Amino acid sequence: DAKTTQPNSMESNEEEPVHLPCNHSTISGTDYIHWYRQLPSQGPEYVIHGLTSNVNNRMASLAIAEDRKSSTLILHRATLRDAAVYYCILPLAGGTSYGKLTFGQGTILTVHP
Amino acid sequence: GAVVSQHPSWVICKSGTSVKIECRSLDFQATTMFWYRQFPKQSLMLMATSNEGSKATYEQGVEKDKFLINHASLTLSTLTVTSAHPEDSSFYICSASGGEPDTQYFGPGTRLTVL
Repeated sequence: DAKTTQPNSMESNEEEPVHLPCNHSTISGTDYIHWYRQLPSQGPEYVIHGLTSNVNNRMASLAIAEDRKSSTLILHRATLRDAAVYYCILPLAGGTSYGKLTFGQGTILTVHP
Repeated sequence: GAVVSQHPSWVICKSGTSVKIECRSLDFQATTMFWYRQFPKQSLMLMATSNEGSKATYEQGVEKDKFLINHASLTLSTLTVTSAHPEDSSFYICSASGGEPDTQYFGPGTRLTVL
């Protein structure tokens, strides 16, 4: 399994951009990069995913390094509701493990008013 | 779109009883559903993967006779915790995929407390 490494925690101020990094140096050519987040006492929420090109959606942007060994989730203007644990995950592909997600410890994002 | 519900949202039961948790995909057909468990201050741990109409695949260390999973339709999976004990108290979360490839949509979770 390709492993990801994220900082344990990050802090931001409200309405400022937040860049959440993720290292995945053992990523294979077919591994997608997924980001989920979990607000307190809730199930995780899908944020964004990509393969090679940068991706944008209404929640965030995903910037993927050219060598794909790292990526950055970008929240353009953090709000208090963005305070959560953010997980960078490379789903397993192939066979009976297809799509399986392995959650690490993630990055705890604190947003200050 | 891509909404997953769970019922109940919380349950308290006595030791030795069985508890059933339902997971439904409301607006898409879920070919695969996953069940996770999360203890306080810890990350999610995958318990099992279920595909509609076939037996669930359990992760190592998860007792299949204790955690019964049924995925009878493309919109419903159930997890039954049999003979629950206090150490089974946890936050149980399901997810479903099928609406969009490679993406899982999670339910809000069920908090189980076994007295």
